[in-house]
Amino acid sequence: GEDVEQSLFLSVREGDSSVINCTYTDSSSTYLYWYKQEPGAGLQLLTYIFSNMDMKQDQRLTVLLNKKDKHLSLRIADTQTGDSAIYFCAETSNQAGTALIFGKGTTLSVSS
Amino acid sequence: DAGVIQSPRHEVTEMGQEVTLRCKPISGHNSLFWYRQTMMRGLELLIYFNNNVPIDDSGMPEDRFSAKMPNASFSTLKIQPSEPRDSAVYFCASSGTGFIEAFFGQGTRLTVV
Repeated sequence: GEDVEQSLFLSVREGDSSVINCTYTDSSSTYLYWYKQEPGAGLQLLTYIFSNMDMKQDQRLTVLLNKKDKHLSLRIADTQTGDSAIYFCAETSNQAGTALIFGKGTTLSVSS
Repeated sequence: DAGVIQSPRHEVTEMGQEVTLRCKPISGHNSLFWYRQTMMRGLELLIYFNNNVPIDDSGMPEDRFSAKMPNASFSTLKIQPSEPRDSAVYFCASSGTGFIEAFFGQGTRLTVV
């Protein structure tokens, strides 16, 4: 079955790097995602990576994928207080109409 | 486009009452998803539709929950009768052909007292 696991909390100081980790079980996953949820809001897509890639960089965000270990990570460089939110890892296969399966989310707290 | 629109944003109801949550997906999207978010269980997929047809409803907790998608621009999630343990934030999301990204609505916060 499908399962996505994340640590629940991460606390960092402003200006430090944050690394949020995720493991998944579905080896047929085609896309892996990071979503961000700010308080009282819906989820917004931060970035995604195709399963044949090892790394993807987008400004302050770096996604690393270890397909052998089914491990995904999100690194946020120069973390700001505005980055405080819940970050969700999600996976899906490329089958038509397949839904995203989410982890429970990692709450990132950034202190100044 | 205004994005995925959910209504109401907040709903407070008494136990035993019927609750109907509404969702308007992004125009042109052919997949629609209902999720429930609680502190204990995180984000759970309840049901999703592809081209208005329910594909997987295995996440629907029990028979008190039902969902419909009568056309491509509207879906409802109904709980009858509601119970306090149904209190959660319910999200609707939609995606287009190829499914690279799912776009989420702002959610409906349901409180059953």
